[in-house]
Amino acid sequence: EVHLLESGGGLEQPGESLSLSCAASGFRFSSYAMSWVRQAPGKGLEWVSIISGNGDTTYYPDSVKGRFTISRDNFNNMLYLQMNSLRAEDTAIYYCAKLSGLVVGAYFDYWGQGILVTVSS
Amino acid sequence: EIVLTQSPGTLSLSPGERATLSCRASQSVSSNYLGWYQQKPGQAPRLLISGASGRVTGIPDRFTGSGSGTDFTLTISRLEPEDFAVYYCQQYGNLAWTFGQGTKVEIK
Repeated sequence: EVHLLESGGGLEQPGESLSLSCAASGFRFSSYAMSWVRQAPGKGLEWVSIISGNGDTTYYPDSVKGRFTISRDNFNNMLYLQMNSLRAEDTAIYYCAKLSGLVVGAYFDYWGQGILVTVSS
Repeated sequence: EIVLTQSPGTLSLSPGERATLSCRASQSVSSNYLGWYQQKPGQAPRLLISGASGRVTGIPDRFTGSGSGTDFTLTISRLEPEDFAVYYCQQYGNLAWTFGQGTKVEIK
């Protein structure tokens, strides 16, 4: 059974940094692209980063490009998101999500329960 | 970037009724790379449909996805109490992943 467990959220001030982690189990981690998807309070879903199975390729929307960095440790089945220069609009629940395969044509087939990140002074 | 527009924003129906949710893309979705997700309050989204019409294992057959190109539909044939939730469409072609704004299916 696929299991994704996020950790590391919390309250941070604007301009500061925060790191999220996701522990994965129940599948061959290195064979699948992984992602972070966020949801602002009462709002819809927005993907914020995707990383290929071997970690060589990453993708970001313009809203976080240059501020967020996704990475992975395939030995320990861990996914990470380093968030720098945080803004109030980064406040959201952040979900770790597994992609259905390699990056191209892959959808989000399993999701963690999410972790709240609040950016406020 | 492909923009997905879902309609209606809210659908008020009674259990047993049929729900028809629309998702329109600003340009053609390559290879029908279109998925549907269900999200209940306080829970993570759950994948229902991939490839526009492929029902995920374990999803009841009252959920049907259809459409191609720029127009897609999720139909729930007979609403069960557990189906009242928010539904999102999402496209995953062209190395960009975008979601619609969601349709809330609420109890009338």
